[in-house]
Amino acid sequence: GQQLNQSPQSMFIQEGEDVSMNCTSSSIFNTWLWYKQDPGEGPVLLIALYKAGELTSNGRLTAQFGITRKDSFLNISASIPSDVGIYFCAAFTGTASKLTFGTGTRLQVTL
Amino acid sequence: ETGVTQTPRHLVMGMTNKKSLKCEQHLGHNAMYWYKQSAKKPLELMFVYNFKEQTENNSVPSRFSPECPNSSHLFLHLHTLQPEDSALYLCASSQEGQGTDTQYFGPGTRLTVL
Repeated sequence: GQQLNQSPQSMFIQEGEDVSMNCTSSSIFNTWLWYKQDPGEGPVLLIALYKAGELTSNGRLTAQFGITRKDSFLNISASIPSDVGIYFCAAFTGTASKLTFGTGTRLQVTL
Repeated sequence: ETGVTQTPRHLVMGMTNKKSLKCEQHLGHNAMYWYKQSAKKPLELMFVYNFKEQTENNSVPSRFSPECPNSSHLFLHLHTLQPEDSALYLCASSQEGQGTDTQYFGPGTRLTVL
């Protein structure tokens, strides 16, 4: 089946630092999504990418849809304590019912 | 607030109990999903409903029984569960066929089976 390899698995950073995480696959996808999940809550959509090469920002977050359609990255600039959580990449081709999720990157921010 | 609500938020049940999880989406979407999220595991898709018809059942044990009475509501009926079924159960919805499909998640129900 299709798999998304997400890295790193976890990150410990200081407040104010920039963060970068990525997702790769051996399969081609037409849509890449990035979600954040707080403890005990459902994933919340951060950024959706629909075109290869697309670079999209949402506040301090920036994500790119890789030109090969097999990868995506998420950057967070000037991290703050509320950025703590698990970040998931997800991707599909065709319909969202075929969504595949990465294993998540756990982000911890220290003061 | 994502437009997808789930009740209850927390549920503790014995192995012989019967309970139901409820999901409601206020987004006008035509597809709804049940996922299971266990600690340190990727999200596992359980069921997909598209226009109220079940289109996917990912080898889920029969002790989990979904019901989709209309495109806004989705239930997961639980009976004779096992302790390993304890997990966060997430509902999601999407609008299929628009070319910009995205799944929106509810807050989840934290289920503990004793």
